[in-house]
Amino acid sequence: TQLLEQSPQFLSIQEGENLTVYCNSSSVFSSLQWYRQEPGEGPVLLVTVVTGGEVKKLKRLTFQFGDARKDSSLHITAAQPGDTGLYLCAGANAGGTSYGKLTFGQGTILTVHP
Amino acid sequence: KAGVTQTPRYLIKTRGQQVTLSCSPISGHRSVSWYQQTPGQGLQFLFEYFSETQRNKGNFPGRFSGRQFSNSRSEMNVSTLELGDSALYLCASSLVVQPTGELFFGEGSRLTVL
Repeated sequence: TQLLEQSPQFLSIQEGENLTVYCNSSSVFSSLQWYRQEPGEGPVLLVTVVTGGEVKKLKRLTFQFGDARKDSSLHITAAQPGDTGLYLCAGANAGGTSYGKLTFGQGTILTVHP
Repeated sequence: KAGVTQTPRYLIKTRGQQVTLSCSPISGHRSVSWYQQTPGQGLQFLFEYFSETQRNKGNFPGRFSGRQFSNSRSEMNVSTLELGDSALYLCASSLVVQPTGELFFGEGSRLTVL
């Protein structure tokens, strides 16, 4: 069974601060996705990274996929209250009978205070 | 275009009963996946259907079952409900099979088992 460990589980910061969320595994993933979920809603896809070492930027959000495709990070610059939510990473199984199944991390609950 | 629609949004059942949840994917999407979300376990994969065929299945007991109809709509059923089945059940649709397609989640069906 492939596992994705996300850290930290909880993050409470002030508006304007920077933060990084980590997603780690001992398994290799063919791709990795990051989602954000707000209360009462389903997760919304932010980005997909597929190549080891890949870096993608989405405004103030920077996503990185590890060289070995086992880990990823999400960095937010100058956080805003609107960034508050549950951030989830999800890895796509690289092969075998479970090819294509997404494994989700436990999530990071981010609260940005004005 | 309309998003993923899940019904019912909220329901309360008692132990031993069964429940059926429904999911209408985005028009044109042929892949439907189901996930269980709980505070303790996070998002866990239940199963994925594509063109009425189950392509992947998670590690859940046989009490959890699903199906997909020719119009891509999907249902999942949980029989002999247990207290631990209380969760948010999320349906996600995709244009193509995972992991290549972006997942679009519905708002979920929140099940409470008393």
